[in-house]
Amino acid sequence: AQSVTQLGSHVSVSEGALVLLRCNYSSSVPPYLFWYVQYPNQGLQLLLKYTTGATLVKGINGFEAEFKKSETSFHLTKPSAHMSDAAEYFCAVSLTGGFKTIFGAGTRLFVKA
Amino acid sequence: EAQVTQNPRYLITVTGKKLTVTCSQNMNHEYMSWYRQDPGLGLRQIYYSMNVEVTDKGDVPEGYKVSRKEKRNFPLILESPSPNQTSLYFCASSLTTQTGELFFGEGSRLTVL
Repeated sequence: AQSVTQLGSHVSVSEGALVLLRCNYSSSVPPYLFWYVQYPNQGLQLLLKYTTGATLVKGINGFEAEFKKSETSFHLTKPSAHMSDAAEYFCAVSLTGGFKTIFGAGTRLFVKA
Repeated sequence: EAQVTQNPRYLITVTGKKLTVTCSQNMNHEYMSWYRQDPGLGLRQIYYSMNVEVTDKGDVPEGYKVSRKEKRNFPLILESPSPNQTSLYFCASSLTTQTGELFFGEGSRLTVL
């Protein structure tokens, strides 16, 4: 069965510092991978996705993620955090031929001035 | 503007009083889904629909019903709500089930007393 594990329910960084949010998945077949962001009192919106091809994926707001099959990981990074990045981030996986997207438990990012 | 609209956004009700949360999308998406979000558990799928009159259970369907009589609407029905259904509910839609981005509504916060 597929699953998604996000390491760290809360991550705190200083403004300007590197953001690293970790995501590992388990899947018996090649997955499609997503990162979503949820700002307070809003629904989720897509940051980036990996389907096939280049394993380094760039998304909105300066975020990027790298698909590493050997490590079954899809970590999200941003070189320099901004106060506006404070939100909850969800990693998600969808199987080829499947009808559902499985979400991780989420990581809340705090950005300190 | 492309959007998924949920109503009501906030609702407090009592055990056993039937309620319906409506969801409507204007993007002509075939796929629609309901999720509930609970702290520490991320988003869990309740029901999904591949097209009109085609629905199926997700991971946590107990206590919920859905219908898909029109492509744009996918209401969530709680026939006899219980306190353990207190949660934040999201409706989402997608053009495809696998590689497509999920578009989310803003959420409906339900409290069952």
